[in-house]
This record gives sequence, structure tokens and C-alpha cells, in this order.
Amino acid sequence: GEEVAQTPKHLVRGEGQKAKLYCAPIKGHSYVFWYQQVLKNEFKFLISFQNENVFDETGMPKERFSAKCLPNSPCSLEIQATKLEDSAVYFCASSQSEGQGISYEQYFGPGTRLTVT
Amino acid sequence: GENVEQHPSTLSVQEGDSAVIKCTYSDSASNYFPWYKQELGKRPQLIIDIRSNVGEKKDQRIAVTLNKTAKHFSLHITETQPEDSAVYFCAASRFSGGYNKLIFGAGTRLAVHP
Repeated sequence: GEEVAQTPKHLVRGEGQKAKLYCAPIKGHSYVFWYQQVLKNEFKFLISFQNENVFDETGMPKERFSAKCLPNSPCSLEIQATKLEDSAVYFCASSQSEGQGISYEQYFGPGTRLTVT
Repeated sequence: GENVEQHPSTLSVQEGDSAVIKCTYSDSASNYFPWYKQELGKRPQLIIDIRSNVGEKKDQRIAVTLNKTAKHFSLHITETQPEDSAVYFCAASRFSGGYNKLIFGAGTRLAVHP
């Protein structure tokens, strides 16, 4: 079946550079989530979208992080002026097909490993 | 804020033994509790989940129990096999109308020795 796609697989940036990550949710899914998994394995919720609208951005460090989900385009997560502590794997997930019964499962993409040097 | 605590952080068992991982959550409105298995370098995969109107759920060698009063839920793996070795994450969510923001525990690294 369909899967959540994320690009690139790996991204290396010097401290202070910009990083942009992309996510293509499963077609027809209403919700998109971004999570950050740091080296100690912990997942941190960053932001969620309902279609192209921000639903919950309580986890976002807003001064440097921004995200969008525009119609007919992959969703994106952008980090301006990266810092060493931004090094992590960033996972995108999507859920809930429109027009179908309630679905509990969240489907994760393969992740983008960001290394800030 | 919402918080999920998970124990132990590492667990080592012999093949064929049982493994138990425990989680507690802070948000009493949480109503959905999935468990994910993550192998090295891979995405998390849902292995079992439970909703707040159910106390126990079983799927072959895997079972999950939920105690809403204590805000506590556990994963039980019986007859462990080497391929069960991975990091396991619990999560809690206030599921509503298809929306499902997950708050994860810190993970348990399970090693099953042949």
C-alpha cells in the first residue's frame, strides 16, 4: 500500500545554515505530524496540520523552525540558522483518511537524519 | 503538561522468556495508547494499541493491559525471540475525531539473547 515519503534521507548542514525537509503524506490523509527524535531516542512532537492548516504548533521552537503543508505540494519543515542541538532524525506521520471511518493509526515516514556540524 | 514515563530503559532477557515494559501517563483525558517497535535506523512500527474502554488486548505473543485509575499501561511479550530485539516506545494520546497527537515515552531497549 501507500507509504509516507520523506526526503532527503540524510542532510548535513554547518551550524548557522538553513535546512529544509520534505514529507509527502499518504494521499487522502487529513492530518500530518512532525516529530523530532534526538540521539537519546526520545520523540518530541513539533507541529501538526489538518490539511493545509496548522492544528497544533505547541512543540515548535518558533524563532527558527517553520512548517507548511500547501495543497498539491509536499509538506515541509524548515530550520533557519541550524544549531548543533538540532541534530536528530525528523519523522513525519499522517493519519485519518477523509470520508472513511475513524482510524486510530498514525503512519510514519522513514525519517530524515539531520546532522549539524 | 502531558508526560509519559516508561520503564525500564533497557531490558535483557533470554530467548523464550517474557518481557514486560511499563508506562504511566499524566493526562487523565488520554484515551488511546499505542506501542511502537523501532529497529535501528528504521521508522517506528505500530505493534499493538489499546483504547481507554478496554482493559486488556492480546495479539499472539503480545498483550497490553491498561489501568485507567492508576494511569498505567504495560506491554507483555511472551516467548521472546531474537527478532524481538528493538527499542519499544509507549505513547498516549487524546484521540478525537481522527486527530491523534502522540506523547511518547523515552523508550525501552530490549535485547533477546539466544
